[in-house]
Amino acid sequence: AQTVTQSQPEMSVQEAETVTLSCTYDTSENNYYLFWYKQPPSRQMILVIRQEAYKQQNATENRFSVNFQKAAKSFSLKISDSQLGDTAMYFCAFREDTGANSKLTFGKGITLSVRP
Amino acid sequence: DAGVIQSPRHEVTEMGQEVTLRCKPISGHNSLFWYRQTMMRGLELLIYFNNNVPIDDSGMPEDRFSAKMPNASFSTLKIQPSEPRDSAVYFCASRPTGAGNYGYTFGSGTRLTVV
Repeated sequence: AQTVTQSQPEMSVQEAETVTLSCTYDTSENNYYLFWYKQPPSRQMILVIRQEAYKQQNATENRFSVNFQKAAKSFSLKISDSQLGDTAMYFCAFREDTGANSKLTFGKGITLSVRP
Repeated sequence: DAGVIQSPRHEVTEMGQEVTLRCKPISGHNSLFWYRQTMMRGLELLIYFNNNVPIDDSGMPEDRFSAKMPNASFSTLKIQPSEPRDSAVYFCASRPTGAGNYGYTFGSGTRLTVV
């Protein structure tokens, strides 16, 4: 079974600085997808960024980027120029590329606080 | 598109009562998922459907929980009888079946409190 581990329960960063959130996963599959979701206090789950395992290039979405290390099974999220609105829980998630078996497995999440 | 629509947003009920949570997926999304979120256990997959057919219900905690998807635009999660330990946020999510790197689109969740 796939597992996703987020070992840091919480982090804090000063506004405008950069922060990196860690995630590791375990799988025997070669093809899969990885995601980071943001959950602000409103509790809405918002997709931040996604990465295909077959792509070597790290995904980037504006201030958000990932460091995908397939051999190490590591998928960290870097938030540059942190903003107060980035305060939220962040979940790392994994999905196999097996068609019908398309369920997402989530990590426990990390609470990020951005200080003014 | 209005996104994934869940109702009610909040539900408070007494122990022993029946609770029904509702979900309308995004039109054209063939896969629908029910998750439960608690502080202790995080996000747990309860059940998911492909083309209205339940594929995996191994996450349903016990027989008190049941889920249906009578058509492509509607699903329910029912708890009967409800217990205080069922208190949690219940999310519904949908995605197009087999659509590669497409993530889930989540509803805004139902916060259930059983007293």
